[in-house]
Amino acid sequence: SQTIHQWPATLVQPVGSPLSLECTVEGTSNPNLYWYRQAAGRGLQLLFYSVGIGQISSEVPQNLSASRPQDRQFILSSKKLLLSDSGFYLCAWSESGDGYTFGSGTRLTVV
Amino acid sequence: GQQLNQSPQSMFIQEGEDVSMNCTSSSIFNTWLWYKQDPGEGPVLLIALYKAGELTSNGRLTAQFGITRKDSFLNISASIPSDVGIYFCAGRNRGSYIPTFGRGTSLIVHP
Repeated sequence: SQTIHQWPATLVQPVGSPLSLECTVEGTSNPNLYWYRQAAGRGLQLLFYSVGIGQISSEVPQNLSASRPQDRQFILSSKKLLLSDSGFYLCAWSESGDGYTFGSGTRLTVV
Repeated sequence: GQQLNQSPQSMFIQEGEDVSMNCTSSSIFNTWLWYKQDPGEGPVLLIALYKAGELTSNGRLTAQFGITRKDSFLNISASIPSDVGIYFCAGRNRGSYIPTFGRGTSLIVHP
């Protein structure tokens, strides 16, 4: 069966520090991968999606970037965090868009 | 782009009551999805709908794909405290990698 792993669960980082959040999927090949951000427990904002290794589409100009170095690995990064980057980050995957399976999320607080 | 209007934004109900929420779109979708998000967790898929007019149940939950393809409804019967959470609808069109999510309905159930 397919599983999605996202870590860490919580993160407190100072302003100006770098960020790296990792997401991996098991039990599937060539999944579509997504990074969402959720502010204040409402609304899912799509940040990036990827349909294959090295293919990244950005939905919203951000202080963030994404990479897909392997088929089932999706990484969200920042070189210098801003206070406004705080939020709940969710990774998700799908096959053919029939359903989207989310990870358990990372609560990021920038201080 | 496509807009999804999900209502109501919040619901405060007594245990045992039935719940109804809906999503309407400015244009048609080929797939409707309903998710539930528990506090601090990622959303979990409840029901997926693929045909106009389709009515699908999952335990006490029933969802319908509107005939016009521009709306969908989710009903919860005999609510219990563990139904608390945020419910999201999402629409997707064939050939698109990106679902459009509603802004969520926050459900609070009083014992």
